[in-house]
Amino acid sequence: TQLLEQSPQFLSIQEGENLTVYCNSSSVFSSLQWYRQEPGEGPVLLVTVVTGGEVKKLKRLTFQFGDARKDSSLHITAAQPGDTGLYLCAGDGSGGSNYKLTFGKGTLLTVNP
Amino acid sequence: NAGVTQTPKFQVLKTGQSMTLQCAQDMNHNSMYWYRQDPGMGLRLIYYSASEGTTDKGEVPNGYNVSRLNKREFSLRLESAAPSQTSVYFCASREDAPYGYTFGSGTRLTVV
Repeated sequence: TQLLEQSPQFLSIQEGENLTVYCNSSSVFSSLQWYRQEPGEGPVLLVTVVTGGEVKKLKRLTFQFGDARKDSSLHITAAQPGDTGLYLCAGDGSGGSNYKLTFGKGTLLTVNP
Repeated sequence: NAGVTQTPKFQVLKTGQSMTLQCAQDMNHNSMYWYRQDPGMGLRLIYYSASEGTTDKGEVPNGYNVSRLNKREFSLRLESAAPSQTSVYFCASREDAPYGYTFGSGTRLTVV
């Protein structure tokens, strides 16, 4: 079983602060995705990273895939209350399976006004 | 809007009752998935279908069955519901790797 460990599990910050959440594994993934889930809804895809060392930016969100393709980070600059939600990372392709993703348990982010 | 549609959104069952959760996608995706989400456990894969006509077990298949009715529809059946199956169930689909999943909005199931 390929595991993705996310940290921290919970994060509560004030509006305007910066933060970084992490997604780590001992397995190599062919690609890694980040999702955000709001209460009562399904997860929504934010980004897919494919190449080791790749950095992608989505407005105030910066995603990085580790050089060895075993880990990833999500950095949010100047967090806003609208960033509140559960952030999930998911890895693809470890162990030869390209059909199903392995999900971490998530980081629950609360941004207070 | 294109996406994944799940029905019903809420359901309460008595122990031993059966029910089918419906899922349909209109994006012509090849693969479809059923997950359950429980506090502290994250998303756990129940069953998936890599393509029309195939289904495979995921991490937690016991107590469930699935049917890939056609390319659009993938249903999840609980034959004899148990309180341990109280959860939020999500259906998802995707075209292929490395594209991401599109999730439905979930079914909140309570078994009493």
